[in-house]
Amino acid sequence: DIQMTQSPSTLSASVGDRVTITCRATQSINGWLAWYQQKPGKAPKLLIYSASSLESGVPSRFYGGGSGTEFTLTISSLQPDDFATYYCQQYNSYPFTFGQGTKLEIK
Amino acid sequence: EVQLVESGGGLIQPGRSLRLSCIGSGFGFGEYAVTWVRQAPGKGLEWVGFIKSFLYGGTTEYATSVKGRFTISRDDSKSVAYLQMDSLKTEDTAVYYCSRVGTQWRVDYWGQGTLVTVSS
Repeated sequence: DIQMTQSPSTLSASVGDRVTITCRATQSINGWLAWYQQKPGKAPKLLIYSASSLESGVPSRFYGGGSGTEFTLTISSLQPDDFATYYCQQYNSYPFTFGQGTKLEIK
Repeated sequence: EVQLVESGGGLIQPGRSLRLSCIGSGFGFGEYAVTWVRQAPGKGLEWVGFIKSFLYGGTTEYATSVKGRFTISRDDSKSVAYLQMDSLKTEDTAVYYCSRVGTQWRVDYWGQGTLVTVSS
């Protein structure tokens, strides 16, 4: 199975900050990577697919990048609604796997 | 409006079986693959498995942790997907979400989740 490792596990930041979350795969996933946002008690929400494509309706302050085995999710200017947990997921090969999550907290 | 609604969760003893349902509405259910994802209390997301549309063979794939115990199926005439869970273990305790796999493999719509608690 492909293992996905996110860093950091927890990130403290302030409104207006630019933050980046990294996701590393144990082998190349050919850009088949998605990013999700999850708030407590809610289902995940798709933000980014195919590593860098923004899902419809998602603010443009979210953007994804990377290739091969290393990918990033950047939020250019944090808004109060962005404090949540973020997950990456590879869907290059079965079984599809998630990263362990990054909790974005208010500093 | 696209909606997915899971049902069938509850308290179940280890070793028993349980079947979850996921009913879709507001879209052509049979045209889409359906994925199941779970989340143990206070933990991260875990992909459980998925079923392709019958247009693509209706094939299934599973996580290593559930392969051989869980079975995903679908009945497009009822717009429903099922997750049959056998030989349940305490570590299967989680909220189970179903979701739709849209174009370009986008998991774009999710249900609200149903809680399964495996305990004696």
